[in-house]
Amino acid sequence: AQKITQTQPGMFVQEKEAVTLDCTYDTSDPSYGLFWYKQPSSGEMIFLIYQGSYDQQNATEGRYSLNFQKARKSANLVISASQLGDSAMYFCAMREGEFSGGYNKLIFGAGTRLAVHP
Amino acid sequence: DGGITQSPKYLFRKEGQNVTLSCEQNLNHDAMYWYRQDPGQGLRLIYYSQIVNDFQKGDIAEGYSVSREKKESFPLTVTSAQKNPTAFYLCASEDRSGSQPQHFGDGTRLSIL
Repeated sequence: AQKITQTQPGMFVQEKEAVTLDCTYDTSDPSYGLFWYKQPSSGEMIFLIYQGSYDQQNATEGRYSLNFQKARKSANLVISASQLGDSAMYFCAMREGEFSGGYNKLIFGAGTRLAVHP
Repeated sequence: DGGITQSPKYLFRKEGQNVTLSCEQNLNHDAMYWYRQDPGQGLRLIYYSQIVNDFQKGDIAEGYSVSREKKESFPLTVTSAQKNPTAFYLCASEDRSGSQPQHFGDGTRLSIL
């Protein structure tokens, strides 16, 4: 079974509008971390935002916020006031056993391609 | 500036040839990773290393080899046994003290001649 599911292969948004990129995850581990990365066409992976499973509040980083709904196992990324430079692939990732101190790999979803139109 | 350097940016491999992709980091991270990304796909883990002189296979290790002789360096060799090596390869490192993200290099694009 897929651990990370991103159901939107592609999304379009008008410049200056907000957009939500969906991510659902599957784990039985109560301790996990959720990450969002941006990959522009140049290829590098840019870390955007992190949410720990025990965090009480939704994470925010500038124009990025994470809509964390633990019971639904969803961790959607919200980008406010979209800019042309936001056009990229966006990946959701999860790491189980986040606070165990041992190693657990980062599992990536298939990604969502976002296109911002002027 | 601290970061991860991957070289070369583009690499071409002939049939039957082994090629080595370089990854160097100056972030003082213990853990390093190699991922493969095919067009339109997510990242798949090839190998990882948590400490010097130790490494583990990831999900798609066949046809690849690594070494970790120094903390800063984690080179990946794509051997002739890897029959479909054309892909984008990303190296990452991580500080596992706390809930920290992985930091990535700019990647190497490998193609078959």
